[in-house]
Amino acid sequence: AQSVAQPEDQVNVAEGNPLTVKCTYSVSGNPYLFWYVQYPNRGLQFLLKYITGDNLVKGSYGFEAEFNKSQTSFHLKKPSALVSDSALYFCAVRDLEYGNKLVFGAGTILRVKS
Amino acid sequence: SAVISQKPSRDICQRGTSLTIQCQVDSQVTMMFWYRQQPGQSLTLIATANQGSEATYESGFVIDKFPISRPNLTFSTLTVSNMSPEDSSIYLCSVWDSLTQNTIYFGEGSWLTVV
Repeated sequence: AQSVAQPEDQVNVAEGNPLTVKCTYSVSGNPYLFWYVQYPNRGLQFLLKYITGDNLVKGSYGFEAEFNKSQTSFHLKKPSALVSDSALYFCAVRDLEYGNKLVFGAGTILRVKS
Repeated sequence: SAVISQKPSRDICQRGTSLTIQCQVDSQVTMMFWYRQQPGQSLTLIATANQGSEATYESGFVIDKFPISRPNLTFSTLTVSNMSPEDSSIYLCSVWDSLTQNTIYFGEGSWLTVV
């Protein structure tokens, strides 16, 4: 079965600094990987995905993620953090063996301080 | 992207009652899913809603507790039956379709508090 690990419960970064939110995965075939963001009292918003192609994927709000097959990682990055980026971030992998459902990581709280 | 509307957005429910959550999509989609997010937790799949047939439930979730309907390709309901405080969660509808380019989108969620 597919699985995702987000090793950090929380990431703190100063506004204007680069940020990285880590994600590693375990899949039996080709990975379909996703990042979602959840702002307080909101549902999940899609940020970006990796299906195939370039290892560097660009998404919404200036976020990008780098797919690294050898390290089985899909870290979320942004060159310059904003206070408004503070939210809960989820990495997920699509389980093609079981009806296309998403398997989520535990989530990482990002706090950006001014 | 698909636009997903959920009702109710929030509710406070009495112990022992049942509540039905509706999910409406603005286009026909192949697959619809229901997830639960308990306080401070990640998302867990409850079931896949199948059009015209019984839903497919994940381990730990049963039809008697979470009956699901999907009468067509744009609409689904999830009922949380005989609620207890442990059912206090966010319930999220999500959809996938080839037209969404392999992306799974989520509604805003239904925030239930059981008292």
